[in-house]
Amino acid sequence: DAGVIQSPRHEVTEMGQEVTLRCKPISGHNSLFWYRQTMMRGLELLIYFNNNVPIDDSGMPEDRFSAKMPNASFSTLKIQPSEPRDSAVYFCASNPTVNSPLHFGNGTRLTVT
Amino acid sequence: AQSVTQPDIHITVSEGASLELRCNYSYGATPYLFWYVQSPGQGLQLLLKYFSGDTLVQGIKGFEAEFKRSQSSFNLRKPSVHWSDAAEYFCAVARGFNNNDMRFGAGTRLTVKP
Repeated sequence: DAGVIQSPRHEVTEMGQEVTLRCKPISGHNSLFWYRQTMMRGLELLIYFNNNVPIDDSGMPEDRFSAKMPNASFSTLKIQPSEPRDSAVYFCASNPTVNSPLHFGNGTRLTVT
Repeated sequence: AQSVTQPDIHITVSEGASLELRCNYSYGATPYLFWYVQSPGQGLQLLLKYFSGDTLVQGIKGFEAEFKRSQSSFNLRKPSVHWSDAAEYFCAVARGFNNNDMRFGAGTRLTVKP
């Protein structure tokens, strides 16, 4: 079990650029979550998918953010255009069944200058 | 919507001392409750969970937590803290009943003095 795999681990980009974060959930897990962690706001749920379908995206801060899950083994979180206030650590997590514990990736640290 | 409150932002304890981290939730029904630990530069790792049944649950690394419905609390405890327990601890709640929406508290940072 390789765990939840996120890439890249670190991303530094300039304001206005497009950023794509990637996640591979644990095989067999039916749900995938994207969280954002900052000092000011803690761990915020951005969006989660059940069986590749987005269930709740109310946490997505604005239209610049979008997430997709084209198949059970891959998801992306895209920010276009990026802004300095998007700087944070973005975590992907998955779980095998509803309300079972989450398995987290090691996160992507995003810095937008 | 459910919410989770961790009243203590930072706690310092001496190695060998006992530990209690507080967590309160607001939700009408009995939620699913979790404690996670995060070490620097890493993702969150599950310590323990409560779904139903015995209100005192045991977790990994010697941690335990007690669900108290009357107080809407799920406090984390450890009788004797080790230096390696220094980390950030998060309480989380899921609404249950086929709802996968999981929310986290703000976290409590634990410092262990030698």
